[in-house]
Amino acid sequence: QKEVEQDPGPLSVPEGAIVSLNCTYSNSAFQYFMWYRQYSRKGPELLMYTYSSGNKEDGRFTAQVDKSSKYISLFIRDSQPSDSATYLCAMTTGGFKTIFGAGTRLFVKA
Amino acid sequence: GAVVSQHPSWVICKSGTSVKIECRSLDFQATTMFWYRQFPKQSLMLMATSNEGSKATYEQGVEKDKFLINHASLTLSTLTVTSAHPEDSSFYICSARESRGYNEQFFGPGTRLTVL
Repeated sequence: QKEVEQDPGPLSVPEGAIVSLNCTYSNSAFQYFMWYRQYSRKGPELLMYTYSSGNKEDGRFTAQVDKSSKYISLFIRDSQPSDSATYLCAMTTGGFKTIFGAGTRLFVKA
Repeated sequence: GAVVSQHPSWVICKSGTSVKIECRSLDFQATTMFWYRQFPKQSLMLMATSNEGSKATYEQGVEKDKFLINHASLTLSTLTVTSAHPEDSSFYICSARESRGYNEQFFGPGTRLTVL
């Protein structure tokens, strides 16, 4: 079993839709959770960083962490074609190593 | 936000030559830098972790003599692919973590290496 599971997609939605991206994990020692966005042929860009259960909102993006269920989510409201990218979840115990999900490819159609 | 640069952004070389890729943290000090490799439509594969002033720690299956990593300062790490072969062609991405103990990694834009 992988430490972090993420559905690779692809996920295709119409413009304006609410997008839900999810990851599950098995290591209860993970304390810090991140979401990255990666456009084709570019390095990943940090979108959200959280360290506690609950919701964190930043513009159209909301990150949700449920440590009891070992489940994290990223919601994108009013999705735009420019949101089309691969979204990677990542988590760490606070040590050196960060574990990344496989990434979910998202397509937002105009 | 924290900015990480990589140079070059792309490189084409002949088989057997060595290629050096630089990774710089531009507006923060990075105690730890990471090197990843990514194949098309696949996720990041961690190659090695480097801490300033010490030897890099390589992931299992990564040849340390082939992928030389130097982290000489708090703002610069280099990856040298020695005697490159076509199977080394890939997208190489570095990331850096701030010295203050935050856990986020900030990524560079990546370097596309093509070995002919």
